[in-house]
Amino acid sequence: GAVVSQHPSWVICKSGTSVKIECRSLDFQATTMFWYRQFPKQSLMLMATSNEGSKATYEQGVEKDKFLINHASLTLSTLTVTSAHPEDSSFYICSARRDGNYGYTFGSGTRLTVV
Amino acid sequence: AQSVTQLDSQVPVFEEAPVELRCNYSSSVSVYLFWYVQYPNQGLQLLLKYLSGSTLVKGINGFEAEFNKSQTSFHLRKPSVHISDTAEYFCAVSYNNNDMRFGAGTRLTVKP
Repeated sequence: GAVVSQHPSWVICKSGTSVKIECRSLDFQATTMFWYRQFPKQSLMLMATSNEGSKATYEQGVEKDKFLINHASLTLSTLTVTSAHPEDSSFYICSARRDGNYGYTFGSGTRLTVV
Repeated sequence: AQSVTQLDSQVPVFEEAPVELRCNYSSSVSVYLFWYVQYPNQGLQLLLKYLSGSTLVKGINGFEAEFNKSQTSFHLRKPSVHISDTAEYFCAVSYNNNDMRFGAGTRLTVKP
């Protein structure tokens, strides 16, 4: 149990376009999901905390207008990278927190390349 | 504020040798501690976690870690490593059932 599906696993887009990444909890409800960004050979940096039915909480330095987060249901959170630029190229990972058992489950990540 | 320090960015070791990956944390409140493994271009897999209770935590793939409150450490150990253990390992801390913060990671390379 406790599976998080992240889609797509990789995407290439043109500079200036927008890309949507989905994070789904398949067998549990997640009131809270987290979005991380990971540059090559570096650690995961928390971008934002996504709460079902409310606005996301962004970390300092993360542009909320550029990285749009929507958590419309208890099993789905989306991250949209708007007007993508090459510097947005990175590995994006989501995680979902399971209530009660206090567990975090991570998606398999999305490799975004902006050309 | 909470932070995590992984003292070694790279750890090379020969197959079947023991290994310890070090992790120290700083927090003014009680914390929950985790170790994750990441293989190239993949997400994170939980190795083990400490929430409360016994300070020695056993995880998957033969890994274990010991929570030491006085030294604010949570070092990961394995008595005998395999080639397949080559990966990036992340220590993480969370408190109050809130978000999770990661250390910089330790690259474990197991050589034949």
